[in-house]
Amino acid sequence: SQTIHQWPATLVQPVGSPLSLECTVEGTSNPNLYWYRQAAGRGLQLLFYSVGIGQISSEVPQNLSASRPQDRQFILSSKKLLLSDSGFYLCAWSRDRGSQPQHFGDGTRLSIL
Amino acid sequence: AQTVTQSQPEMSVQEAETVTLSCTYDTSESDYYLFWYKQPPSRQMILVIRQEAYKQQNATENRFSVNFQKAAKSFSLKISDSQLGDAAMYFCAYRRGTSGTYKYIFGTGTRLKVLA
Repeated sequence: SQTIHQWPATLVQPVGSPLSLECTVEGTSNPNLYWYRQAAGRGLQLLFYSVGIGQISSEVPQNLSASRPQDRQFILSSKKLLLSDSGFYLCAWSRDRGSQPQHFGDGTRLSIL
Repeated sequence: AQTVTQSQPEMSVQEAETVTLSCTYDTSESDYYLFWYKQPPSRQMILVIRQEAYKQQNATENRFSVNFQKAAKSFSLKISDSQLGDAAMYFCAYRRGTSGTYKYIFGTGTRLKVLA
């Protein structure tokens, strides 16, 4: 069966520090991968998605970047965090068929001080 | 562009009663898929149910069922015999069936409270 791992679960970082959130998927190959951000009590904002190694599509101009160095690894990064980067970050994967749902990781709660 | 609208920010239901959460969407496509996700306080996103647009029969998963009205572009979720564990945010989502389409469009969510 397929599993998705996302870490860390919680992160507290000072303004201006770098960021690296990692997401890995097991049990499937060539998944579509996604990063979302969710503000408290709000909906999901798609940040990035990737359909293959090295292929990144950005949805919202921002202080963040994403990379996919391996087939089942998706990394969300920032060189200098802003206060507005605080939020709940979710990684997800799906198969490349419309009928297939997304499967989500447990999320990372990021607080910027 | 496709949009998904959940017009009820919050709903309440008495334990053991039935509640219906609304979702409407806008699309010009004929081939697409619809999903309901549940996000409990732990914030993990859990797939509840999905519906293929080409299927007329409404999807059902135990106490969860949908009322899919394709012409009206409506996709409501009915929860029967509500339980305390059903308390969560519920998100409706849409995905085109066209090959090469990767994005899922989510609604803004409905917070469901279950009253004991």
